Amino acid sequence: QSVLTQPPSVSAAPGQKVTISCSGSSSNIGNNYVSWYQQLPGTAPKLLIYDNNKRPSGIPDRFSGSKSGTSATLGITGLQTGDEADYYCGTWNSSLNTGEWVFGGGTKLTVL
Amino acid sequence: QVQLVESGGGVVQPGRSLRLSCAASRFTFSSYGMHWVRQAPGKGLEWVAVISYDGSIKYHADSVKGRFTISRDNSKNTLYLQMNSLRAEDTAVYYCAKGEFWGAAGAIDNWGQGARVTVSS
Repeated sequence: QSVLTQPPSVSAAPGQKVTISCSGSSSNIGNNYVSWYQQLPGTAPKLLIYDNNKRPSGIPDRFSGSKSGTSATLGITGLQTGDEADYYCGTWNSSLNTGEWVFGGGTKLTVL
Repeated sequence: QVQLVESGGGVVQPGRSLRLSCAASRFTFSSYGMHWVRQAPGKGLEWVAVISYDGSIKYHADSVKGRFTISRDNSKNTLYLQMNSLRAEDTAVYYCAKGEFWGAAGAIDNWGQGARVTVSS
């Protein structure tokens, strides 16, 4: 059971838009930045979004991130078949005298 | 760009030990926090441990606390994960990953290609 909750799967047609949600609590998303990762089949994860809504250089503006309260959302517009991948949200989880990094369970994106 | 190359993976019997290494290059290793993240076959990402830029701050996941230890040698630009008392459920690909800045809480912004660890008798 992941600390952060994501839908197991989403799907949409090429050219369409899709959103992936990530729900947490005040111990994690509510008080820390959220980042998003894309994992193409058979490859290592790659950073897509950091600090809730910033894109690293080289990431197209079709990818966007937002945060509200204890939830975050990844948006992908102009879907391409190459976007088929697993997507993970992640953030720092703070607790008394300690901390840990936490990931969502992952969302498999299918581009129909 | 940032390069992270893991080594030391392999097949090991339950209860035995293994040490993973991660050689870092093309960035100032001694200025950044570093992580280990693992992924069991067919499963999602599981964070394992983080260490601050100077090694003074370390956190480990509850699932590995007391068995695994993260460490670093800034003179060798190398990150380590000492894994003791290995269990079948530790079977996974282990990724070395770079933090966004010096501490533990920043985004994980670069990943290695992973080292496969299989715990089996």
